[in-house]
Amino acid sequence: DGGITQSPKYLFRKEGQNVTLSCEQNLNHDAMYWYRQDPGQGLRLIYYSQIVNDFQKGDIAEGYSVSREKKESFPLTVTSAQKNPTAFYLCANSLNIGRAFNQPQHFGDGTRLSIL
Amino acid sequence: GNSVTQMEGPVTLSEEAFLTINCTYTATGYPSLFWYVQYPGEGLQLLLKATKADDKGSNKGFEATYRKETTSFHLEKGSVQVSDSAVYFCALMGGFQKLVFGTGTRLLVSP
Repeated sequence: DGGITQSPKYLFRKEGQNVTLSCEQNLNHDAMYWYRQDPGQGLRLIYYSQIVNDFQKGDIAEGYSVSREKKESFPLTVTSAQKNPTAFYLCANSLNIGRAFNQPQHFGDGTRLSIL
Repeated sequence: GNSVTQMEGPVTLSEEAFLTINCTYTATGYPSLFWYVQYPGEGLQLLLKATKADDKGSNKGFEATYRKETTSFHLEKGSVQVSDSAVYFCALMGGFQKLVFGTGTRLLVSP
């Protein structure tokens, strides 16, 4: 695997609260990604980061925020602006394009977020 | 834009049956193609990949060939096992290392 640890495995949020999902990697890969998975819809990209202190919006970034202060960490915050946050969230990493073109992404075991 | 279309599931087979899961894609340029597998409650695991036309990816008895002329990357296995029951995702990688996924195909294998 890509040495990715996601926590917690299950997370519950009350209406109006922000919650932060943790993603840590130990393989020194440059690029990290956050995806959302809904039943029957495959995976959709939320945010991605290719280097420390830099990140880009994916296809469904509204209502989410990220930071990349350290190479090994890429936390995702689900804000109260995200009106339908219940989903399975997956973090992934890969070698950066500058050094290894078309490298596959490796995924963590995911965090399942539910609304109370 | 880039897109991936997979056959809808579930695909239900008996143990030792032959498996085919169809995948076709639309993309500009020459994307890399991947198959990932997801077991219940887990993340995705890379199953196999192909980076150019006519490449064949293989792993754990699964195979897929990159067919540029038909824009396809069908997943096959000669003899499935109960332990192969999972959801299978076809994906392509276009620019900037961004993966585009199909909607997934659930495989159910009975003894």
